[in-house]
Amino acid sequence: DAGVTQSPTHLIKTRGQHVTLRCSPISGHKSVSWYQQVLGQGPQFIFQYYEKEERGRGNFPDRFSARQFPNYSSELNVNALLLGDSALYLCASSLVGSPTDTQYFGPGTRLTVL
Amino acid sequence: KQEVTQIPAALSVPEGENLVLNCSFTDSAIYNLQWFRQDPGKGLTSLLLIQSSQREQTSGRLNASLDKSSGRSTLYIAASQPGDSATYLCAVRGGVWDQGGKLIFGQGTELSVKP
Repeated sequence: DAGVTQSPTHLIKTRGQHVTLRCSPISGHKSVSWYQQVLGQGPQFIFQYYEKEERGRGNFPDRFSARQFPNYSSELNVNALLLGDSALYLCASSLVGSPTDTQYFGPGTRLTVL
Repeated sequence: KQEVTQIPAALSVPEGENLVLNCSFTDSAIYNLQWFRQDPGKGLTSLLLIQSSQREQTSGRLNASLDKSSGRSTLYIAASQPGDSATYLCAVRGGVWDQGGKLIFGQGTELSVKP
């Protein structure tokens, strides 16, 4: 079975632009979470979605938004990009989004903002 | 506010050595603790998950323990190999149950195993 997949692998944008990152969860998983990992630090929680509804949101500005589709895939959108948004964006999926579920991570999307 | 700390930040050992990585957290109200491995520029690979009611988990040469009351976890790696070289991250799952909880990560320990 395929694991969590993310696209694109790498992305280069300039300040002020908009970006959309995509994630497909493991088959059968209904919950998707997004994390941002700046170089040299641990990942920071951005969003969790379950059954197409936002369940949790981390301490990120409104420039960050996400949604989940009926097939449980998800998109993360970032508007008005800043240099500080350069990071590895990780998507994780779990069965039902319960806090006791194991989260499985994808390979990430490396975003560089120039 | 939950904070997770990992010590040391970096560790270099000769091949074959047994080693311990440490993780501490400030709030004992967690659902579980998970250890991950991350290779440079890559995503996270889950190694072990310990539910809050458990004391330890084992997988092959890896053993992880959890002491909720003292806010500590250790990852023990037996007979280390060069292929174990990576960054090891611990994360606790806390937050509001109805919101699915969230993983709070430490900054990681960068492990280098020399042949």
